[in-house]
Amino acid sequence: KQEVTQIPAALSVPEGENLVLNCSFTDSAIYNLQWFRQDPGKGLTSLLLIQSSQREQTSGRLNASLDKSSGRSTLYIAASQPGDSATYLCAVGAGQNFVFGPGTRLSVLP
Amino acid sequence: NAGVTQTPKFQVLKTGQSMTLQCAQDMNHEYMSWYRQDPGMGLRLIHYSVGAGITDQGEVPNGYNVSRSTTEDFPLRLLSAAPSQTSVYFCASSYASGLQYFGPGTRLTVT
Repeated sequence: KQEVTQIPAALSVPEGENLVLNCSFTDSAIYNLQWFRQDPGKGLTSLLLIQSSQREQTSGRLNASLDKSSGRSTLYIAASQPGDSATYLCAVGAGQNFVFGPGTRLSVLP
Repeated sequence: NAGVTQTPKFQVLKTGQSMTLQCAQDMNHEYMSWYRQDPGMGLRLIHYSVGAGITDQGEVPNGYNVSRSTTEDFPLRLLSAAPSQTSVYFCASSYASGLQYFGPGTRLTVT
């Protein structure tokens, strides 16, 4: 059974710092991996989708990498801003079934 | 495009009552899914559909029914509500192996 973990559980950084969020999964037979952002009391907003054949995806200040063989993905956020404060979730896809990690709660302090 | 819409936003039920959570998408996505989100448990897949007329169970299907008569709609039925079904419910849709789009969620309390 696929298990997804995220480290750290919570992170607090000053504005302007570059930071890395980690996602690990136990079964490397995946179709894709997706990173989401969730604001308190809100739904999930998709940030980046990496297909299993890809190594990384970039969108603005965000860069996500995927290493299937080691069961790891990282989300890099450059020049963090207070508006980046949210919970970040990774989800590992095998067909239509996605398994979610517990999330990393990020606080960016002004 | 409205994206993925869910109704109602909030609902309180008594134990034993039944209800249907509505989900609709206007992006012509084949895939639709229902998740529940609980503190300390994360998001868990309840049921999913790969197209009209086709549904399958996810990780936590017990106590829930779904049907998919059209591409746009994917309602989730609670047959006899229990306090353990108190949760936030999210509907999602996507193309095959594509970005998943989530609805705003329904916050359900069963007393």
